[in-house]
Order: sequence, then C-alpha cells, then structure tokens
Amino acid sequence: GQSLEQPSEVTAVEGAIVQINCTYQTSGFYGLSWYQQHDGGAPTFLSYNALDGLEETGRFSSFLSRSDSYGYLLLQELQMKDSASYFCAALRGTYKYIFGTGTRLKVLA
Amino acid sequence: DSGVTQTPKHLITATGQRVTLRCSPRSGDLSVYWYQQSLDQGLQFLIQYYNGEERAKGNILERFSAQQFPDLHSELNLSSLELGDSALYFCASSSSVNSYEQYFGPGTRLTVT
Repeated sequence: GQSLEQPSEVTAVEGAIVQINCTYQTSGFYGLSWYQQHDGGAPTFLSYNALDGLEETGRFSSFLSRSDSYGYLLLQELQMKDSASYFCAALRGTYKYIFGTGTRLKVLA
Repeated sequence: DSGVTQTPKHLITATGQRVTLRCSPRSGDLSVYWYQQSLDQGLQFLIQYYNGEERAKGNILERFSAQQFPDLHSELNLSSLELGDSALYFCASSSSVNSYEQYFGPGTRLTVT
C-alpha cells in the first residue's frame, strides 16, 4: 500500500539538534515535502526534496534517499517556537499527495 | 497569513445534512487542493483542481464533491453527513499544476452531531 511512517513524538531541549525521520512506501514517487503545523493552525511548507541529498533552508535541512525510501528533517538551534507537528508528504504521479501521520516535537526549556 | 481564505471557520450540523465549504486561493494561484484532517487519520488528500478542471482524486467519498469556478474559488460539498465526517477541512493553493509547495488556508472545523 501507500504509506509514510514517522515517529509519533520527539522531545528535545532548546538549542539542540533534532532529526525527524520519514520512511515511505509509494509508487510513482516524485519527491518529499515537509510541513510544520502548530496546534490550531494550518500546515506551512518547509522544504522539498526531489533529488537525493541535503537541502538547507536556514535552521532547517531536509534529506532524501530514494534508494532507501527514506528522508528526514533536521532542525538545528531549536527554539521554543519550533514546538509543533511536522509532516512529511510524498508527491506522487498524477498530482496525488500522501501525508505521513505527523511527528509532534516538544522543545523543552 | 498564507493568502488563502476559507469560510466558514466553524460549522456545526446534524447527521444527514449537506454543507458547502468555500475556499479562495492566493492571488494568481490556479491550483486548489482539499484535505481532511481528523485525529485518527492525519491529513488526507481529497481532490485537486487546476484552472477549473479536476486534476487528481484522493480518498474522497462519493458523498463529497467539489468544483472550481471561473474566478478560481472552490467549493467542497459534503452531503448525507455522518458523525465520522467531523474533522478539520483545509484548502490549499499553488501556482502550478504539480507543485510541491502548497499554501494552506486556516481551515473549516466541521462538527456533525
């Protein structure tokens, strides 16, 4: 079937680095997106990987390995405001999108 | 503020009823996507329209339908509502037909009683 798996929860302290993993199983895979969603808010786009390797955007980086059907989101210099849910999403052929179940990140002071 | 607007913000209705959710995309965006987010299912892609035409269908029930109008706003119609349809419904938009970067509206929270 089509699925994306993420850890349900990750906890880290302010200033630390945290990695959120995403493994996927889907046909017609184009690429992997990452979204952030604060409680009560809408998802906001963070990054996208179409090719293998690392994409860096400020404190956030995203990695993709097509051969391993695996990606991750790396958050550096964690801040309290980073406490949110993070979703990976696979873009498939014919414009279909599958989202992972989300990882709730708790940043502790 | 993503520039995507959705109305209403909250909707409470009874089982068996029909409701219409409305979405206005960001200025210039031709693609509109609809998603359902419930506690036990996460974000589920429902349907995509591009410049008035349906482009992709996800896990959308036959009781649900959508359309995109010439002014590019979109409506999601939910009929014969069931308790399980209670969820947050998001609309998103993007500039192209196959865009990985989508801008989400604030959502409509539907409660079916």
